[in-house]
Amino acid sequence: DAGVTQSPTHLIKTRGQHVTLRCSPISGHKSVSWYQQVLGQGPQFIFQYYEKEERGRGNFPDRFSARQFPNYSSELNVNALLLGDSALYLCASSLDRLQETQYFGPGTRLLVL
Amino acid sequence: AQSVTQLGSHVSVSEGALVLLRCNYSSSVPPYLFWYVQYPNQGLQLLLKYTSAATLVKGINGFEAEFKKSETSFHLTKPSAHMSDAAEYFCAVSVNTGGFKTIFGAGTRLFVKA
Repeated sequence: DAGVTQSPTHLIKTRGQHVTLRCSPISGHKSVSWYQQVLGQGPQFIFQYYEKEERGRGNFPDRFSARQFPNYSSELNVNALLLGDSALYLCASSLDRLQETQYFGPGTRLLVL
Repeated sequence: AQSVTQLGSHVSVSEGALVLLRCNYSSSVPPYLFWYVQYPNQGLQLLLKYTSAATLVKGINGFEAEFKKSETSFHLTKPSAHMSDAAEYFCAVSVNTGGFKTIFGAGTRLFVKA
């Protein structure tokens, strides 16, 4: 079975631009979470989505938004990019919102110049 | 609020030696605890998890961890290090708040010397 997939793998943007990152969960998984991992640090929780609704939000500004589609895939959107948004963005899926075990994708590496 | 502290940002061991990576957590409710491994330019792979069953948890690749509530610790061990164990290791705590929010430690980079 395919694991969690993310696209694109790498992305370069300039300050002020907008970016959309995509995630497809493991087949049968209904919950998707997003994390930001800045170089040299642990992942930071951004959002959890389940059944197309936001179920949890980390301490990130409103420039960060996400949504989940009927097929349980998800998009993370970041507006007005800042240099500090440069990071590895990880998507994780789990069976449902009460399933504590998450499976991570390979991530999208975003560089903001 | 939940938090995780990993003691030592870098740990170096010789091949065949004991691996000990330290993790302490803080949680106001019974936590779920995890160890993940991350190889360069890859995502996170689950090594093992504690979910309130046995306090000694065995994971993949010969790793195990013991949950000690009195010490609020969840240290990761492996009896004999292998070169392929060189990677970044993250301890994490999750609590059920209607969904699961996972808090990660800053990570410990393990170096294995030949």
